[in-house]
Amino acid sequence: GEKVEQHESTLSVREGDSAVINCTYTDTASSYFPWYKQEAGKSLHFVIDIRSNVDRKQSQRLTVLLDKKAKRFSLHITATQPEDSAIYFCAASNSNNRIFFGDGTQLVVKP
Amino acid sequence: GGIITQTPKFLIGQEGQKLTLKCQQNFNHDTMYWYRQDSGKGLRLIYYSITENDLQKGDLSEGYDASREKKSSFSLTVTSAQKNEMAVFLCASSRDWGENTLYFGAGTRLSVL
Repeated sequence: GEKVEQHESTLSVREGDSAVINCTYTDTASSYFPWYKQEAGKSLHFVIDIRSNVDRKQSQRLTVLLDKKAKRFSLHITATQPEDSAIYFCAASNSNNRIFFGDGTQLVVKP
Repeated sequence: GGIITQTPKFLIGQEGQKLTLKCQQNFNHDTMYWYRQDSGKGLRLIYYSITENDLQKGDLSEGYDASREKKSSFSLTVTSAQKNEMAVFLCASSRDWGENTLYFGAGTRLSVL
């Protein structure tokens, strides 16, 4: 089955700087790549996704890049703010519509 | 908008005990899921239900049972709680099996003494 790996378990940036979280996947048939955010003490909520028919998607300060050849995708957050501090989970969905999650990256935005 | 309600928020059990976690959603979503989240780990799928009368095993179904009582509710049973087990169980729903965006509940935190 699909295996999703998140390369950074923790990431610390200064407020206003950019943050990049990288993920890789194994199943070439995966076509949908969502990102979820989990703030301290709260559950997960969806933040952004990308489908395999495009290689870039932007929503305000968030951009997702997809490199299908390398089976790699990344979340870029610009102008980070304290409220961006959270655990971010990348995920991949294969042809069976199953979603597989990475282990999460703890992002800390320092004032 | 809708909401997913998980009960209880905290569950303390004894080794060997059978424990039931409940989940209700008012999105009118077809598909519901149970995930387990261990500290520092991603989410692992325990059971899911594509439609009201469906039940499918995930990657971590051993030691668990599930029941989709009606479209809006999906319960999970830990058949025999393991000593020192600690995890958060997350319920989620999606509009249907082809719609991938998941909506999560707040979770049930399980501790086994």
